[in-house]
Amino acid sequence: DTGVSQDPRHKITKRGQNVTFRCDPISEHNRLYWYRQTLGQGPEFLTYFQNEAQLEKSRLLSDRFSAERPKGSFSTLEIQRTEQGDSAMYLCASSLAEGARTEAFFGQGTRLTVV
Amino acid sequence: GENVEQHPSTLSVQEGDSAVIKCTYSDSASNYFPWYKQELGKRPQLIIDIRSNVGEKKDQRIAVTLNKTAKHFSLHITETQPEDSAVYFCAASIGGADGLTFGKGTHLIIQP
Repeated sequence: DTGVSQDPRHKITKRGQNVTFRCDPISEHNRLYWYRQTLGQGPEFLTYFQNEAQLEKSRLLSDRFSAERPKGSFSTLEIQRTEQGDSAMYLCASSLAEGARTEAFFGQGTRLTVV
Repeated sequence: GENVEQHPSTLSVQEGDSAVIKCTYSDSASNYFPWYKQELGKRPQLIIDIRSNVGEKKDQRIAVTLNKTAKHFSLHITETQPEDSAVYFCAASIGGADGLTFGKGTHLIIQP
């Protein structure tokens, strides 16, 4: 599978713990996005990178959340001091911003459960 | 910021009939409108998209129409099949796939 991959697929953590998720985009894609999806809702934009630069952050991304893409390839999303309200599916997507080609392709997501 | 409304939340149609899902957006600067299909437990998959310089786009049984004046766009699926059953999301953004704003989704049920 040469699509967007995310790891882990599932994560159960206790409230107050830190968690880190990884996303590997499609190899030639220069843009990488993080979204959060709760049950019965559409994905909500969190942040995105062009290469290694973080270009936009949603107000949903509180100071407990941090994302990195150090070499412009894979990205990590860390949540510190997790809360029950952080329970959701965290989706990563990537796109190649080149001319008219801007379609975003999603990974299968990391499902986080905070207990 | 952008706000996308999607209707209906659930749509049940007989196999072979057509299905139409409608979305409205608030930001007149939005110029990219993709549609994603998400099956239970799976990733959202892009099925079709349209940019604001065209009014309609077709791909086999799927078509999308865009009315920029009214700020609404619709997904049309003809000759529906059981495998079309899924949740469909519309989205909007300015300048491509950056920071997509999604609707809340439509659960499409194809009745045999």
